[in-house]
Amino acid sequence: EVQLVESGGGLVQPGRSLKLSCAASGFTFSNYYMAWVRQAPKKGLEWVATISTSGSRTYYPDSVKGRFTISRDNAKSSLYLQMNSLKSEDTATYYCARHVSFDYWGQGVMVTVSS
Amino acid sequence: DVVLTQTPPTLSATIGQSVSISCRSSQSLLHSNGNTYLHWLLQRPGQSPQLLIYSVSRLESGVPNRFSGSGSGTDFTLKISGVEAEDLGVYYCVQGTHAWTFGGGTKLELK
Repeated sequence: EVQLVESGGGLVQPGRSLKLSCAASGFTFSNYYMAWVRQAPKKGLEWVATISTSGSRTYYPDSVKGRFTISRDNAKSSLYLQMNSLKSEDTATYYCARHVSFDYWGQGVMVTVSS
Repeated sequence: DVVLTQTPPTLSATIGQSVSISCRSSQSLLHSNGNTYLHWLLQRPGQSPQLLIYSVSRLESGVPNRFSGSGSGTDFTLKISGVEAEDLGVYYCVQGTHAWTFGGGTKLELK
């Protein structure tokens, strides 16, 4: 059974950093692109980052480019999202998802950016 | 950047009614490799999204065949042939031809 389990969320002050993790199991992690997607409270889904199978290629929308970094450790079947210079508008539930068609999602982890 | 516009934003239906959701893209979603990366997701209340349809019209494993997808280029449609109570929630289209973008969502509720 495919499982994606996020962790690392919480309350953080504006301008500070936070690192999210996603533990994958039930499939060959190194064979898949992976992504982070977020959902602000009562809002729709927003793509945040994508990483290639080896980790050599990463992709971001303008809203997080230069502040967020996606990475992976294929030996540990783990995906990460380093979030720096956090803003109030980054407050959301963050999901990790398996690419290419977003066929599996984690349960999500809440990140609240507030003073 | 590609913008996906979903209509209607809200859809009221009775059990057994057939409904359609439109997803229009600001650019053609036909990739240079010949594939069209347009998928449909359902997010039920309090749950993570789940994949229903991938690559325009391919039904994800385990998804009931009352769901179907169609379209090409910039215009795509998700159809539910006979709404059931478990179908209520928010439907999203997402494209993966030009980076990745989600539509704004269509909320399906009971009339």
